[in-house]
Amino acid sequence: QQPVQSPQAVILREGEDAVINCSSSKALYSVHWYRQKHGEAPVFLMILLKGGEQKGHEKISASFNEKKQQSSLYLTASQLSYSGTYFCGTEYNNDMRFGAGTRLTVKP
Amino acid sequence: DVKVTQSSRYLVKRTGEKVFLECVQDMDHENMFWYRQDPGLGLRLIYFSYDVKMKEKGDIPEGYSVSREKKERFSLILESASTNQTSMYLCASSFLGAGGQPQHFGDGTRLSIL
Repeated sequence: QQPVQSPQAVILREGEDAVINCSSSKALYSVHWYRQKHGEAPVFLMILLKGGEQKGHEKISASFNEKKQQSSLYLTASQLSYSGTYFCGTEYNNDMRFGAGTRLTVKP
Repeated sequence: DVKVTQSSRYLVKRTGEKVFLECVQDMDHENMFWYRQDPGLGLRLIYFSYDVKMKEKGDIPEGYSVSREKKERFSLILESASTNQTSMYLCASSFLGAGGQPQHFGDGTRLSIL
């Protein structure tokens, strides 16, 4: 039931771009994205709803393909502060499942 | 700001003990969740609750139980702790309702079972 994330890990230089993918086998109501820094709690980044609505408060973009049950998180012009583990969460009928995470490392 | 507080940051217990992990949220959220986080496996849902005295099993409920007697508090119980339950445990809460609601996480409890 867990969504599948790819890649498992990515290393970038400052200023480079990255895409993190999330796919599910179930018909989804929404997709959530969170970032967790080492030793800290996961922090909400964005929700993408069925029908195209997005809710978030950071300068990060994402897409949600309802037909394919896939979502992608786009990190552009990466900064050192973007480092962390990114989790997607897939929501179906108030039931949430998270992926295994993608570890993103941004180097100077 | 939403505050989700877990009672202990670190906890060490012995095999066979009954272990209680407590979580309290201050935003009147209907939903509360317990996850287990292990390297390479991400966040796995143990139990969740959408109302007082209501609970639903997640993906890995075996060996765990939960209690929600008050809306703000959600407890995770390890009935008889075993070494394979050594892990990081995260509690989260959210509003119930249409439109997708973000989850707010506590800082986690790192539990070691010896």
